[in-house]
Amino acid sequence: AQRVTQPEKLLSVFKGAPVELKCNYSYSGSPELFWYVQYSRQRLQLLLRHISRESIKGFTADLNKGETSFHLKKPFAQEEDSAMYYCALSGGATGRRALTFGSGTRLQVQP
Amino acid sequence: EAGVAQSPRYKIIEKRQSVAFWCNPISGHATLYWYQQILGQGPKLLIQFQNNGVVDDSQLPKDRFSAERLKGVDSTLKIQPAKLEDSAVYLCASSLNRESSYEQYFGPGTRLTVT
Repeated sequence: AQRVTQPEKLLSVFKGAPVELKCNYSYSGSPELFWYVQYSRQRLQLLLRHISRESIKGFTADLNKGETSFHLKKPFAQEEDSAMYYCALSGGATGRRALTFGSGTRLQVQP
Repeated sequence: EAGVAQSPRYKIIEKRQSVAFWCNPISGHATLYWYQQILGQGPKLLIQFQNNGVVDDSQLPKDRFSAERLKGVDSTLKIQPAKLEDSAVYLCASSLNRESSYEQYFGPGTRLTVT
């Protein structure tokens, strides 16, 4: 079975502070991990995937297989980063690869 | 390109009534997903279609939920009869194909309230 855990429901930081949104997963094979984001009044959308190893909007995430974690980080938070963030895992039989989402963390960046 | 369309956006029904949701995916996207998102939780996959065939419906409560994608484009999700615990946002998403399932494009969702 695959499982994604986001332990924080709400993370509140001040503008310019570092941000780390935690994500831990449980999966017996080699998963793909992603972060999805939902800004206010907008649709859920892909932010980044671990395979691409790129920085999107200043966010990065490193897959740590030893700790089964995929934390999302940004060195300096901006007010426009305020949103709901979901960690997701893709696994399963070839051809299925359904996404399993965590429960989400709301990031609030205060001025 | 036009995004994933869903209707209605909101629906309020009484328990034991039936309801249907409609989804039109992005043109050319072969794979379509229906998710249920209960308040305070992440989206949970209900069913995944590849063209007009079902790939995964292992989490679909088949005693009351049904879904179809007859022509491999639009899809409908039905609940009959509804229960109070079905109150949730129902999200439709599509991806180019199964290999691109990581990049799903989501619709705005239908918020269902069962009273």
